[in-house]
Amino acid sequence: ETGVTQTPRHLVMGMTNKKSLKCEQHLGHNAMYWYKQSAKKPLELMFVYSLEERVENNSVPSRFSPECPNSSHLFLHLHTLQPEDSALYLCASSQEPGQEQYFGPGTRLTVT
Amino acid sequence: DAKTTQPPSMDCAEGRAANLPCNHSTISGNEYVYWYRQIHSQGPQYIIHGLKNNETNEMASLIITEDRKSSTLILPHATLRDTAVYYCIVRGGRISGYALNFGKGTSLLVTP
Repeated sequence: ETGVTQTPRHLVMGMTNKKSLKCEQHLGHNAMYWYKQSAKKPLELMFVYSLEERVENNSVPSRFSPECPNSSHLFLHLHTLQPEDSALYLCASSQEPGQEQYFGPGTRLTVT
Repeated sequence: DAKTTQPPSMDCAEGRAANLPCNHSTISGNEYVYWYRQIHSQGPQYIIHGLKNNETNEMASLIITEDRKSSTLILPHATLRDTAVYYCIVRGGRISGYALNFGKGTSLLVTP
């Protein structure tokens, strides 16, 4: 596999479920990002990790919990989500924070 | 980050060059010009970036005017798969923060 991969590609979950989104980058990058993209809205940065340390957390509700066990993997743990959390969740990586970012295909999340 | 202005939409015939303009008249000396694109329902894709000199890679060429107040992204031989929204972003690297401010971009339609 090359580039940035995300699983699952589609996820439907109820408001009481717990699920996790996974991102893996095969580019040897040091920084990883989670973004949310809602319909008709611009990208919203959620979290940034640099060498497995969180360097930015943009006032994201606690029902979203990121985890970065190593520089190649990034998770987004989801629990008790709301319908308005339905969106495309994108993972990206860059060699260093602030440099050009390479995105995964996204996970299309629907909360019912 | 400096503000950018792009036309909302453009058409291009398949096989012809697509020239996408971007104005960034308030760009400062340490800010780079980045181009990304997003094909419908997919993750954004990094295309190219530059500071002063023209740049070329396997995807596109970037022409930056001498005063750096505008630039043009050139797709030399557009294909149907190049139909996407193209975003011009000006940012100064890490000091600009980590989020990519995509704006509204130019919706490019490549026609047969």
